[in-house]
Amino acid sequence: EVQLVESGGGLVKPGGSLRLSCTASGVIFRNAWMSWVRQAPGKGLEWVGRLKSNSAGATTDYAAPVKGRFTISRDDSRNALYLQMNSLKTDDTAVYYCTTWWFWGQGTLVTVSS
Amino acid sequence: SSDLTQDHAVSVALGQTVRITCHGDSLRSYYVSWYQQKSGQAPVLVIYDENKRPSGIPDRFSGSYSGNTASLTITGAQAEDEADYYCHSRDSSGNNLLFGTGTKVTVL
Repeated sequence: EVQLVESGGGLVKPGGSLRLSCTASGVIFRNAWMSWVRQAPGKGLEWVGRLKSNSAGATTDYAAPVKGRFTISRDDSRNALYLQMNSLKTDDTAVYYCTTWWFWGQGTLVTVSS
Repeated sequence: SSDLTQDHAVSVALGQTVRITCHGDSLRSYYVSWYQQKSGQAPVLVIYDENKRPSGIPDRFSGSYSGNTASLTITGAQAEDEADYYCHSRDSSGNNLLFGTGTKVTVL
């Protein structure tokens, strides 16, 4: 059974930083292209960014609202995906999901507030 | 435009058929997937590559496509189909991924 488990969410002040983690099991993680998707309270789904597998060049793409502030990385030896979020804004408040598109974690809540 | 637009909400009587549409210029070039999201839960993939169903998804869910519009049809809607539905594809550049605005389906 494939499981994706996010962690690292919490309350942070505007301008602060936070790193989210996603740990995968039941999937050949090193071959997976991974994405982060977020959902602000009461709003729709928003793609945040994607990291391809190492064999595909490990390139990243980011949505315009987070480009230059967020960085996605991976550690295939730990079956882990990361989202480093810097210069956080109140608009970044959301549940953050990691996903392979076929499988999703349950999400972790990030609240940006003073 | 690089947006994917959906009707905000639709309702369907139990056992009847409902079609959810997704409009976007980029859909002329890229496949669409559809996700179901029930309240408080993570999204679930119900259709990929326009009209393919993952294992475990009932065959009452089907996808279709014409021009710049993709559609998700639920034939014989059940109470458990009440959820938000999102289309998902790429923008016109192909580099960025997009979700539609979402459609809330109510089963009466």
